[in-house]
Amino acid sequence: ETGVTQSPTHLIKTRGQQVTLRCSSQSGHNTVSWYQQALGQGPQFIFQYYREEENGRGNFPPRFSGLQFPNYSSELNVNALELDDSALYLCASSLEPGAYEQYFGPGTRLTVT
Amino acid sequence: AQRVTQPEKLLSVFKGAPVELKCNYSYSGSPELFWYVQYSRQRLQLLLRHISRESIKGFTADLNKGETSFHLKKPFAQEEDSAMYYCALPAGGTSYGKLTFGQGTILTVHP
Repeated sequence: ETGVTQSPTHLIKTRGQQVTLRCSSQSGHNTVSWYQQALGQGPQFIFQYYREEENGRGNFPPRFSGLQFPNYSSELNVNALELDDSALYLCASSLEPGAYEQYFGPGTRLTVT
Repeated sequence: AQRVTQPEKLLSVFKGAPVELKCNYSYSGSPELFWYVQYSRQRLQLLLRHISRESIKGFTADLNKGETSFHLKKPFAQEEDSAMYYCALPAGGTSYGKLTFGQGTILTVHP
């Protein structure tokens, strides 16, 4: 059984740029949730994808967008990067939206300068 | 808006001492609540959920609706319990994949 993987591990971007983060869900999982974790804070829910559609969104602006592919992998895209977007971005997968256990990936550390 | 508060950022105890990590939530209704744990150099993982009423690694947590609390307890802490602990509340009380996390408590168990 393959766990949740995320790429890249780290990246550095400049304010105003765009970034794409990737997540492969655990084998058999069809639901992916994305979280932003700022330094010293708990993870904050961005959105969830199920069957290639957004299935709920947290309090994040539209410049945060996502995709889910037929193989259930997912992307998080952030446009017009701001300094406050610097954070650890976590992806979590689950068997279905109603499954209570989330399986987290190792995260992508994004630094915006 | 729903909220989870973990008032202690840091908690230090000695091995064998009891430990209690505090969690308070704001939500009108009957939510499920979770504790997630992150050990050093490991991923965030589920520790326990209140509805299962299980004891995982010696930890228990009781939901107190009157006090809107879900404190995590262990009678005898072990060094391997040292980790970051997060209390989490699903959106709308039961949307498990849309979690509101507290700020986390770093537990250090000294030998």
